[in-house]
Amino acid sequence: SQKIEQNSEALNIQEGKTATLTCNYTNYSPAYLQWYRQDPGRGPVFLLLIRENEKEKRKERLKVTFDTTLKQSLFHITASQPADSATYLCAQANSGNTPLVFGKGTRLSVIA
Amino acid sequence: DTGVSQNPRHKITKRGQNVTFRCDPISEHNRLYWYRQTLGQGPEFLTYFQNEAQLEKSRLLSDRFSAERPKGSFSTLEIQRTEQGDSAMYLCASSYGTGVMNEQFFGPGTRLTVL
Repeated sequence: SQKIEQNSEALNIQEGKTATLTCNYTNYSPAYLQWYRQDPGRGPVFLLLIRENEKEKRKERLKVTFDTTLKQSLFHITASQPADSATYLCAQANSGNTPLVFGKGTRLSVIA
Repeated sequence: DTGVSQNPRHKITKRGQNVTFRCDPISEHNRLYWYRQTLGQGPEFLTYFQNEAQLEKSRLLSDRFSAERPKGSFSTLEIQRTEQGDSAMYLCASSYGTGVMNEQFFGPGTRLTVL
């Protein structure tokens, strides 16, 4: 079965630095990965999607990479701000019709 | 349309009671998903609909759980004979199109507490 792991439960960084979050998967190679942001007491909010044939995707201060050799996706937030503090979830699926499998999330705290 | 809405936002019930939650998706979205999330975990897939058809249900889902989307618009999730282990946040999400790869828009969730 699909398994996805976000190794860090929590990550603390200084404002202005780049935050890097890791998502590892095992067994099947997913067709694509999605990254979501979740604030306490609220539902997740979609950020980025990257397909297996894409190495990198960018959106403003966000960047996602997908390394099928390492079976890993990295999520970067450059010039981090306290407002970026939240839990970040990665999710994988093998095809367009299989359900998303979410990781546990990494709680990011950006300290001013 | 301001997004996905869920009602109620909070529900406290006694063990053994039945509960029903409602989800109103974004109006033009044909796919609707239900997830369960416990503290410190990511959302766990329960079931999803494409229009009014329920296409998949998690194997982990007890037969005490049932979901409907009668007219392809709003959906209800019912839990019968609730147990303390059912305490969780129940999230609904919707998307447009026929692939799970499409962006999912989540509602605020219904927090269930079973005493």
